[in-house]
Amino acid sequence: DGGITQSPKYLFRKEGQNVTLSCEQNLNHDAMYWYRQDPGQGLRLIYYSQIVNDFQKGDIAEGYSVSREKKESFPLTVTSAQKNPTAFYLCASNLSGTKLGGNTIYFGEGSWLTVV
Amino acid sequence: GQQVMQIPQYQHVQEGEDFTTYCNSSTTLSNIQWYKQRPGGHPVFLIQLVKSGEVKKQKRLTFQFGEAKKNSSLHITATQTTDVGTYFCAGERNNFNKFYFGSGTKLNVKP
Repeated sequence: DGGITQSPKYLFRKEGQNVTLSCEQNLNHDAMYWYRQDPGQGLRLIYYSQIVNDFQKGDIAEGYSVSREKKESFPLTVTSAQKNPTAFYLCASNLSGTKLGGNTIYFGEGSWLTVV
Repeated sequence: GQQVMQIPQYQHVQEGEDFTTYCNSSTTLSNIQWYKQRPGGHPVFLIQLVKSGEVKKQKRLTFQFGEAKKNSSLHITATQTTDVGTYFCAGERNNFNKFYFGSGTKLNVKP
């Protein structure tokens, strides 16, 4: 089945550690996104990538890093510089809007990150 | 700063009552999308509005896009317990494929 796969679903991180969240999509989508969602809050954009080997900072990029070496993969690293990383992280993708309905955003199941 | 404002933050209704959530952008949007996130789940696409003044219906859900393409609303008629969740709007500016999400409205429906 086509879709977006995020892993792990739950992750615990010790303070001072970097962790990487995986996001893979087999929808042949051009664009991929990472959002952060805090309990009871909306979605805030961390990074996005419109095409392979290119990405842009979103509204809350500090303390995070990404790479887009392959079209289907967009991993997010939460670095020790992120002071309050405990949150629900959502990866998403779309076709980039060139076709009717093409910019519909598809989300993965999400990853819960907790700092212990 | 916040690009798209959404109100109310929470809404508790009795089953059968109506529900409306509103989104307002400080700038003109090229289109707006609506998503529903069930408790513990991820956002799922509901609909996209593109034209000024557009109105679309999905069964008991009515979506509107303002004439100035700066505001939008989602209205649910006769809510059911299956409507429980958080509803988000997401606006795109200038067709740049970057979306600004509202903060969401969490709907609770009491049976």
